[in-house]
Amino acid sequence: AQTVTQSQPEMSVQEAETVTLSCTYDTSESDYYLFWYKQPPSRQMILVIRQEAYKQQNATENRFSVNFQKAAKSFSLKISDSQLGDAAMYFCAYRRTGTASKLTFGTGTRLQVTL
Amino acid sequence: ETGVTQTPRHLVMGMTNKKSLKCEQHLGHNAMYWYKQSAKKPLELMFVYNFKEQTENNSVPSRFSPECPNSSHLFLHLHTLQPEDSALYLCASSQGDSLSNQPQHFGDGTRLSIL
Repeated sequence: AQTVTQSQPEMSVQEAETVTLSCTYDTSESDYYLFWYKQPPSRQMILVIRQEAYKQQNATENRFSVNFQKAAKSFSLKISDSQLGDAAMYFCAYRRTGTASKLTFGTGTRLQVTL
Repeated sequence: ETGVTQTPRHLVMGMTNKKSLKCEQHLGHNAMYWYKQSAKKPLELMFVYNFKEQTENNSVPSRFSPECPNSSHLFLHLHTLQPEDSALYLCASSQGDSLSNQPQHFGDGTRLSIL
């Protein structure tokens, strides 16, 4: 069974600084997808960034980028120039290809952004 | 406006009550999902529907009964719940199997409290 591990329950970053959230996963599949979702307090889950396992190039979305290490089964999220609005729970998620799109989530990392 | 709407936002019920959670998506997606989010635990997938057909039941107790009358609507009927069922219930939708790298879009959730 696939598992997703987020070893940092909480992280803190100063505004305008950079922070990296870690995620590791366990799978025997060679082709799959990885996602980072953001859940602000009392609000819906929002997709931040996604990565296809067959792509070697790391995905980037504005201030958000990932460091995808397939051999190490690691998928960290880097947030640059952190803003107050980045404060939220961040969930790493995994999905196999060719299935009914089942997502396996980690336990999440709560990110605080301070002035 | 979110593409996935859940009602009610909050629900308090006794263990002998019967209630239903509703989810509606306006994104033209084919797949819909129910998740349970408890404190300090990973998101738990409960049910998956593709084109109105249930494709996954993740060992959910029978006191939770899903219904998907069409691709845009999803219900979760609740009956004789237990205190440990108190959680945030999230609905999501996606394009479905054939494009499994497509992200799931989440609603705001229903905060359920069992007395």
